[in-house]
Amino acid sequence: DSGVTQTPKHLITATGQRVTLRCSPRSGDLSVYWYQQSLDQGLQFLIQYYNGEERAKGNILERFSAQQFPDLHSELNLSSLELGDSALYFCASSVEASGHTGELFFGEGSRLTVL
Amino acid sequence: AQKITQTQPGMFVQEKEAVTLDCTYDTSDPSYGLFWYKQPSSGEMIFLIYQGSYDQQNATEGRYSLNFQKARKSANLVISASQLGDSAMYFCAMREGGYNNNDMRFGAGTRLTVKP
Repeated sequence: DSGVTQTPKHLITATGQRVTLRCSPRSGDLSVYWYQQSLDQGLQFLIQYYNGEERAKGNILERFSAQQFPDLHSELNLSSLELGDSALYFCASSVEASGHTGELFFGEGSRLTVL
Repeated sequence: AQKITQTQPGMFVQEKEAVTLDCTYDTSDPSYGLFWYKQPSSGEMIFLIYQGSYDQQNATEGRYSLNFQKARKSANLVISASQLGDSAMYFCAMREGGYNNNDMRFGAGTRLTVKP
């Protein structure tokens, strides 16, 4: 158990709909990352938050948005869903401090299926 | 921009033998970290091993070791005494910068199959 919690674990929805994925980082971790993994693909970095503020942005579509709340949990909002958005969405958290290696601790992922 | 390359889409190894999974990287930042993750068929991402750019010795964690060749910009993962449970996808990743790290970028992965 990595200590990172993601909900829901599975989600099936229709094209054009909107979904929200939720992530609670490990206790004490200030950074949250979101990644997308399509079938048999590598992990594509979407966005990173640090203590409530956006720190880095990757290949995130304009239809997607995220935020990190004061209690450090994060939500990834996916709207106007398309078939190609079907993927495993990972949240990860990290200790960002001197003396730490900076590895990411991943949640179990939210598997989104768009029909 | 940082880039991670894993040139082996799939690898096979006999149980109890050693296997090397290749990873090369590209960065202009002198400070960076290299990571390997394992993703079994169940889907979770499991951290295996870390190598810092300033580390003088190759990292080791149990049966995992990282063959770090800085001048060649390679960070190959060596798994010794392969077990059936080692069958999984393996991802190489890198983060640039100091402790206020930047985001982590991943290679395309290598699917390892261990044969009995």
